Amino acid sequence: QKEVEQNSGPLSVPEGAIASLNCTYSDRGSQSFFWYRQYSGKSPELIMSIYSNGDKEDGRFTAQLNKASQYVSLLIRDSQPSDSATYLCAVPSGAGSYQLTFGKGTKLSVIP
Amino acid sequence: GAVVSQHPSRVICKSGTSVKIECRSLDFQATTMFWYRQFPKQSLMLMATSNEGSKATYEQGVEKDKFLINHASLTLSTLTVTSAHPEDSSFYICSARDPWGTPKYYFGSGTRLTVV
Repeated sequence: QKEVEQNSGPLSVPEGAIASLNCTYSDRGSQSFFWYRQYSGKSPELIMSIYSNGDKEDGRFTAQLNKASQYVSLLIRDSQPSDSATYLCAVPSGAGSYQLTFGKGTKLSVIP
Repeated sequence: GAVVSQHPSRVICKSGTSVKIECRSLDFQATTMFWYRQFPKQSLMLMATSNEGSKATYEQGVEKDKFLINHASLTLSTLTVTSAHPEDSSFYICSARDPWGTPKYYFGSGTRLTVV
């Protein structure tokens, strides 16, 4: 059973701070990793994808992948109240099924 | 970026009637689409995987005769909730896999179904 683990939070950070969200996965063969943001009552929105070890930056977001440690993280710089949402880490199940295995999500609150 | 369109966004229907939800990939061909449901404050629950031109694969506990899925083209999958009951009221979300280049998964905006 492939697993994706996230701290459920809530994670509270002050406005302007860096929010750090963490995710570990069990399948060492996983090749692609996704971060989604989900606002309450809305569907998930893809904010970052990462495939190679190291960092990938997109605006205020940085995804970090360490395949040896089976760890992927998301950093949000200059956090804004509008970043308050649940962040989902997802990894494809592989073996042709293409299903995404999701973590339970980390709820982030950015305090003004 | 890639967009997945889902309609309707909100529907209210009477018990015993059927409701069809459409999911379209607008700028890529999606050989695989997924249907989820989500109850308030709970995680996404995968209902079924829809492959173009073949029968959907349903998750354990999901009634295939109640939740009919059709993936007739590379850009359209539909979910029909048949003989709806109040307990079917939920937030239904589709997702499409863009296989070109490095694969990505995009979600529709969701359909909030209320059965009265």
